[in-house]
Amino acid sequence: AQSVTQLDSQVPVFEEAPVELRCNYSSSVSVYLFWYVQYPNQGLQLLLKYLSGSTLVESINGFEAEFNKSQTSFHLRKPSVHISDTAEYFCAVSEGAGKSTFGDGTTLTVKP
Amino acid sequence: DTEVTQTPKHLVMGMTNKKSLKCEQHMGHRAMYWYKQKAKKPPELMFVYSYEKLSINESVPSRFSPECPNSSLLNLHLHALQPEDSALYLCASSQESGAAGANVLTFGAGSRLTVL
Repeated sequence: AQSVTQLDSQVPVFEEAPVELRCNYSSSVSVYLFWYVQYPNQGLQLLLKYLSGSTLVESINGFEAEFNKSQTSFHLRKPSVHISDTAEYFCAVSEGAGKSTFGDGTTLTVKP
Repeated sequence: DTEVTQTPKHLVMGMTNKKSLKCEQHMGHRAMYWYKQKAKKPPELMFVYSYEKLSINESVPSRFSPECPNSSLLNLHLHALQPEDSALYLCASSQESGAAGANVLTFGAGSRLTVL
């Protein structure tokens, strides 16, 4: 069975500071890994994904995540955050067949 | 069109009412999903349809009844709900089940349900 642990439930950070949201997963087989973002009163949006190939994946708005198989991690990073990045971030893992398991989420709050 | 559209956005119903949530996508995705999300919690999978056939039911109570009339539409029929069923109900879609892209979910904005 697959599982996901997001190590921080809340991350407060000042604007323009770097941030890292941590995610560890557990699975007995190869996995696909995702970060989704949820803004208040909205659905989830895909931020970035690791399916295969390069272990470093990037989003169009400056986020990146690195798949580390030996540490079973998929941490999300951004070198300089904006107020608009304030949201709930969910790490997710899938072993295929369209069934994804989500972490409990990390609330990122960017303060001016 | 890269959107999943859900209606209504908000729904208030009594415990004896019958209502439906609707979801539509025109991305050619052949897998569609219903998730339930409580406040400050991750989405919980309820149902998966693959090629218009129910493939996963996560032991959801029968007061929730899904329906997939065609490859673009997904409904969730609600009857005799309880107050604890109040939540955000999210619809999602993905490519054919089994392919790597099948695991990439596109979500709708959700229907916020309040049961009185």
